[in-house]
Amino acid sequence: DAGVTQSPTHLIKTRGQQVTLRCSPISGHKSVSWYQQVLGQGPQFIFQYYEKEERGRGNFPDRFSARQFPNYSSELNVNALLLGDSALYLCASSLAPGLKNYEQYFGPGTRLTVT
Amino acid sequence: AQSVSQHNHHVILSEAASLELGCNYSYGGTVNLFWYVQYPGQHLQLLLKYFSGDPLVKGIKGFEAEFIKSKFSFNLRKPSVQWSDTAEYFCAVNDQAGTALIFGKGTTLSVSS
Repeated sequence: DAGVTQSPTHLIKTRGQQVTLRCSPISGHKSVSWYQQVLGQGPQFIFQYYEKEERGRGNFPDRFSARQFPNYSSELNVNALLLGDSALYLCASSLAPGLKNYEQYFGPGTRLTVT
Repeated sequence: AQSVSQHNHHVILSEAASLELGCNYSYGGTVNLFWYVQYPGQHLQLLLKYFSGDPLVKGIKGFEAEFIKSKFSFNLRKPSVQWSDTAEYFCAVNDQAGTALIFGKGTTLSVSS
């Protein structure tokens, strides 16, 4: 079975530009979470979506937005890119929200470099 | 706010040595605790988790962790490491909603053969 897939693998953008990252969850999973992993740090929670609705948001500025589509795939958008947005962006999918009952499975990530 | 501290940034061991990686959390509510591993070139994957019950939990590949509530700790252990255990290890705790993971900074383990 295919795991969580993310595209693109790598991306280079210039400060001020906008970027869209994509995630396809494991088949049957309806919840998608996004995390940012800056070099040398652990992943930091950005958003969670379930059944196309936002279920959680981390401490990130409004430049970050996301959405989930009817097929449960998801996009993360970042506007007005800053150098500090350079990071590995991870997508995780689960059957539903709730860490106690539903394991989150991580994708390989998208490496974003902002110059 | 919840947080996780991993005190060991980089641990270097020889094969067959015993391993203990420290993890402390700060969270006053009901905690769910996790250890994730990221092998070189691979995805983050779950090693083990604690929700309730027996504070000694066993995970995959011979790893175990002990939840000590009084010390707010959830240390990862393995009696005898192998070269293939070389990886980055992350401790995590649930957020207040119980839906998102809060990770520590990670510990890089290097095992020499």
